[in-house]
Amino acid sequence: GAVVSQHPSWVICKSGTSVKIECRSLDFQATTMFWYRQFPKQSLMLMATSNEGSKATYEQGVEKDKFLINHASLTLSTLTVTSAHPEDSSFYICSARESQGVYQETQYFGPGTRLLVL
Amino acid sequence: SQQGEEDPQALSIQEGENATMNCSYKTSINNLQWYRQNSGRGLVHLILIRSNEREKHSGRLRVTLDTSKKSSSLLITASRAADTASYFCATHTGGGNKLTFGTGTQLKVEL
Repeated sequence: GAVVSQHPSWVICKSGTSVKIECRSLDFQATTMFWYRQFPKQSLMLMATSNEGSKATYEQGVEKDKFLINHASLTLSTLTVTSAHPEDSSFYICSARESQGVYQETQYFGPGTRLLVL
Repeated sequence: SQQGEEDPQALSIQEGENATMNCSYKTSINNLQWYRQNSGRGLVHLILIRSNEREKHSGRLRVTLDTSKKSSSLLITASRAADTASYFCATHTGGGNKLTFGTGTQLKVEL
């Protein structure tokens, strides 16, 4: 089945530093990847849609200069949390959609990255 | 917003019993999907039901969709302790292929 990985799984950083999270589709090509944020015991909130070779589309209320997204290849998207602050602490999850085929409507999720900003 | 609401928020049952979770949404959809999330983990896709389908089965899972009521239900039969997780519905609309997640149901299956 389609596998999506995320790295790192855990990161603790000091306030003011930047953190990069990678999302990779391991056995399929993904033209589109999605970045979500999840607070404890809450649902997933879509932050942005990442399109290979073009700029990401951000949801309302998400600062694009704060959360930089790069989708440089069909298998890799990165999310950089710039100048992180404690309120950025959260669980970040990516998902990927197959570029073609009958399962395009299904998103495959990575295992998530837990970010703690001190 | 389009975000769906699920009920109950939390459900605790004994192993072997059936678990039913409901999801309601607000606007027209292309399909509705159910996902499972174990604590602190990513999401696992369970089942997808299209807007022109009314019922779908996959193993011990049964999903129904009523587009006139804008609601869906997920039934897990003969539950097991390993089914303990959070379950989310997600609606897929045409624009942008985005998924909008519901609020989730936390299921606990006790031995």
